[in-house]
Parts: sequence; structure tokens; C-alpha cells
Amino acid sequence: GQNIDQPTEMTATEGAIVQINCTYQTSGFNGLFWYQQHAGEAPTFLSYNVLDGLEEKGRFSSFLSRSKGYSYLLLKELQMKDSASYLCAVRDSNYQLIWGAGTKLIIKP
Amino acid sequence: DVKVTQSSRYLVKRTGEKVFLECVQDMDHENMFWYRQDPGLGLRLIYFSYDVKMKEKGDIPEGYSVSREKKERFSLILESASTNQTSMYLCASSFASDSHTGELFFGEGSRLTVL
Repeated sequence: GQNIDQPTEMTATEGAIVQINCTYQTSGFNGLFWYQQHAGEAPTFLSYNVLDGLEEKGRFSSFLSRSKGYSYLLLKELQMKDSASYLCAVRDSNYQLIWGAGTKLIIKP
Repeated sequence: DVKVTQSSRYLVKRTGEKVFLECVQDMDHENMFWYRQDPGLGLRLIYFSYDVKMKEKGDIPEGYSVSREKKERFSLILESASTNQTSMYLCASSFASDSHTGELFFGEGSRLTVL
């Protein structure tokens, strides 16, 4: 079956760096997405990786290794507003999205 | 900015009632989707549509139907609501073109409680 694994919850300190991991086993691969979802709000797109390597976008970076079925989202200079759930999703060979359950990130002062 | 608007943020219905959830997007997206989101689970796809009057079943279509009469509007229908359909329902849309990543734009969600 198809599966996306990510930690349920993580805690980090304001100003620090945190890495949220995502491992996947899917039928084919056509890209990996990260979304951010604040409590009670809609998910919003953060990043997209289809080739191996690091994609940097301001304080956020996303890394992909297709051979290892692994990605991470790196958040630098954490701010209180980064407290949210982070959703990993993989597009499979049928161009359907498979979603992880999300990682709730708690930022402490 | 892309806007996806869901008709109701919060609904409370009784078992057996018919429920309509409306979703409208203003960016001329070809693709539209309905998901449900439950604690501890990833988003689960109920139905999707790649064109007007076209619909495809997702992973959990049982107990649901959809309608797409106009490109901008995608409606989710619960013919006879049951308590196990209590959930957050998220509508999303995206471009179909290969020139786009296919990122989804989500509505704010409709939290449905069935008593």
C-alpha cells in the first residue's frame, strides 16, 4: 500500500531551527508537496520538489531524496507564527496526491 | 490572489438530513476536489472533477455525491447524513496545465457536525 510517515508533533524554540521529516512509499513519484495549516484555517502551499536536492524559499527550505523516499522541511529563525501543522503529500504515478497525517509544530518563547 | 470560497464554515445537521456543501473558485481552475480531514489522518479524497459535468470517485466516495454544472462551482452532497460523516470538509482547486506544479488552493473548510 501507499504510505506517508511524518512525526505527529514537534516542539521548538523561537529563533531556532527545526527539521520536519517525511518518508514515503508510493506507487510511482511525480513530486512532493509541503503545505502549512494553521489551526482552523485552510492549508496553504509551501514548497514543491520533483528533483533531488534542496529548494530554498526564504526561511523555509525543502529537501528531497527520491532514492531514499525521504524529504524534510527546514524552518529557520523560527517565529511564533510558524506554530502550525505541516502536511507532506506525494503525487503518485496516477497523479493522485497521497497525504501524511501532518506534523503539529509548537513554538515556545 | 486565488480565492476558494466554501459556503458554510460551520453546520450542525441531524442524522438522515440532506446536506449541501458549496464551493466556488475564481481563478478559472480546471480541477476541483473535495477532501475530508479527521484528526490523526491525512486528507482523504472524496471526489474530484477535471472538467464541467465530469466527476471521479476518490478514496472514500461512499455516502457522498457531487455536482459540477459550472466550471467555478463544485458541490458536495450528503444524501442522508450519518454521525460518521462528522468531519472537516475541505474544497480545493488547481490548474490542469503541465506548466504548473499542480499545487492545490484550499477553501477555509466546512466543519460539519451530524447529531
